Amino acid sequence: AQKVTQAQTEISVVEKEDVTLDCVYETRDTTYYLFWYKQPPSGELVFLIRRNSFDEQNEISGRYSWNFQKSTSSFNFTITASQVVDSAVYFCALSEAFLLPGGADGLTFGKGTHLIIQP
Amino acid sequence: EAQVTQNPRYLITVTGKKLTVTCSQNMNHEYMSWYRQDPGLGLRQIYYSMNVEVTDKGDVPEGYKVSRKEKRNFPLILESPSPNQTSLYFCASSLSGTAPTYEQYFGPGTRLTVT
Repeated sequence: AQKVTQAQTEISVVEKEDVTLDCVYETRDTTYYLFWYKQPPSGELVFLIRRNSFDEQNEISGRYSWNFQKSTSSFNFTITASQVVDSAVYFCALSEAFLLPGGADGLTFGKGTHLIIQP
Repeated sequence: EAQVTQNPRYLITVTGKKLTVTCSQNMNHEYMSWYRQDPGLGLRQIYYSMNVEVTDKGDVPEGYKVSRKEKRNFPLILESPSPNQTSLYFCASSLSGTAPTYEQYFGPGTRLTVT
């Protein structure tokens, strides 16, 4: 079975600091997809990024960047120059490439990291 | 506007009183899913559906039922709710039925309290 571990339950930093959220995953599949979602205090889930297992290139989107390393089964998320609006719970998730009828795993979420950005 | 809608958004009910939480998407997505979110446990999948008339259990299906008679709708049914089903519920949809590897669009959530 697949598993996602976000060891950091809560992180608190001061605004403008850089912060990295860790995500470690387990899967027996060679083809899989990794995701990050943001859940702001308002409660909705906002998609941030999707990465497939064959693409180990790091990705940067504004102040956000993601580091995917298959060798360590990690998909870490860094926010540069954090802002108060970045305060949220962040979820890392893993999906197998294909679903088969009969109970195969779907999208497995980590337990989330609560990020607090203090002004 | 492309969206997933859930109703009701908030519900307080009593143990044993059957209830249905509706979920509808307007994106012609094949894949739909229900999750529950509990403090310290993250999101856990209850049921998913790869297409019309195809549903399957997720990680925590006990006490829940679903149906997928139409592509756009995926209601979650609690036949006899119990207090341990008090939770925040999310419906989600995704483009492909056999490959849930696309972005999943989530509904706004339904906060259920069972007393």
